[in-house]
Amino acid sequence: DAGVTQSPTHLIKTRGQQVTLRCSPKSGHDTVSWYQQALGQGPQFIFQYYEEEERQRGNFPDRFSGHQFPNYSSELNVNALLLGDSALYLCASSLFMDITIEAFFGQGTRLTVV
Amino acid sequence: QQQVKQSPQSLIVQKGGISIINCAYENTAFDYFPWYQQFPGKGPALLIAIRPDVSEKKEGRFTISFNKSAKQFSLHIMDSQPGDSATYFCAAVMGGSEKLVFGKGMKLTVNP
Repeated sequence: DAGVTQSPTHLIKTRGQQVTLRCSPKSGHDTVSWYQQALGQGPQFIFQYYEEEERQRGNFPDRFSGHQFPNYSSELNVNALLLGDSALYLCASSLFMDITIEAFFGQGTRLTVV
Repeated sequence: QQQVKQSPQSLIVQKGGISIINCAYENTAFDYFPWYQQFPGKGPALLIAIRPDVSEKKEGRFTISFNKSAKQFSLHIMDSQPGDSATYFCAAVMGGSEKLVFGKGMKLTVNP
């Protein structure tokens, strides 16, 4: 079992561009959540997807959007990138409404906006 | 608004010592409190978790102490080892939610 896999591992983008990050959940998991972790901070919840729908959303602007595919994999899209979007983006997978069992995190995508 | 406050921000202990990390929360709707360990270049990994109906939970060298009336919980790492050097995050989950609310983290360094 490969666990949660994210791609790419590192990415450099220019301010104003758009970026897409990808996540494959752990085998057997049906729910994907995305978190933003700024340097020296704890992860901040962006949103969660289940059954291809956004179920919960954190305090992030509409520039952040996502998608979940029938195979449960997910994408995070960020439009009109700002310098402040530079962070480690983490994907976590779990079973829906069963996060207290365990949420497994990927290794993250390090996004740098210049 | 930071819903989960964690202290200290960093800690240096000697091998074999006890590491203690404290967290406090305000929202009494939180009903699940996990601790995560994160190594550089890796995502957080669940270490141990507790619910507020239990005052203490121990797994190996790791113990969570929970004080519901004070809205505080702490992680104790006994016999700390250099391999424990990592960043530790406390978190909380509200009943009916799937959202992990993290503290800011504490960088632990265990000297040999």
